Amino acid sequence: DAGVTQSPTHLIKTRGQQVTLRCSPKSGHDTVSWYQQALGQGPQFIFQYYEEEERQRGNFPDRFSGHQFPNYSSELNVNALLLGDSALYLCASSGGQYQYFGPGTRLLVL
Amino acid sequence: SQQGEEDPQALSIQEGENATMNCSYKTSINNLQWYRQNSGRGLVHLILIRSNEREKHSGRLRVTLDTSKKSSSLLITASRAADTASYFCAIGRDTGFQKLVFGTGTRLLVSP
Repeated sequence: DAGVTQSPTHLIKTRGQQVTLRCSPKSGHDTVSWYQQALGQGPQFIFQYYEEEERQRGNFPDRFSGHQFPNYSSELNVNALLLGDSALYLCASSGGQYQYFGPGTRLLVL
Repeated sequence: SQQGEEDPQALSIQEGENATMNCSYKTSINNLQWYRQNSGRGLVHLILIRSNEREKHSGRLRVTLDTSKKSSSLLITASRAADTASYFCAIGRDTGFQKLVFGTGTRLLVSP
């Protein structure tokens, strides 16, 4: 049984560009959450998707948007990239109280 | 702020020693969870303790929770080099589907 998978593993973009990150949840999980982790910091909650709708959102601008598909996989989109968006982006899936994290996508914005 | 704050920020010990990490928070909680992260990769869930629990064990891990002091501690006994990682506490405020509010972490180095 595969755990949470994310793609790509690494990504380099330039300021102003747009990026899409992808996440496949653990089998049987229907909820996906996204977190941003800056270097040396703890993960910060971006938003959570359930039944293809955003149900909770953290303190992130509208440049951060997401989507959940009928198979529960999810995408995180970031528009108009800033240098400060450089971070490890983590996806977590849950089917109950525990969240299982993927390996993350490391985004570098130049 | 809901954020948990870990103490110490960094901890260096020898194999076989015990490691204790502390987490303090400011708001009411439903549960508190501890995670481990190796070398900036994904987080691994270690243990969850509910607000009505005071102590919980899992293998070499012991977690305590003192809601009156708004603090928790994670004890790793008989540490191993493989325990080298960053450890985060995360606060869960709601039942059901919840977001987690993480602290800044404790970086543990266990030397052979």
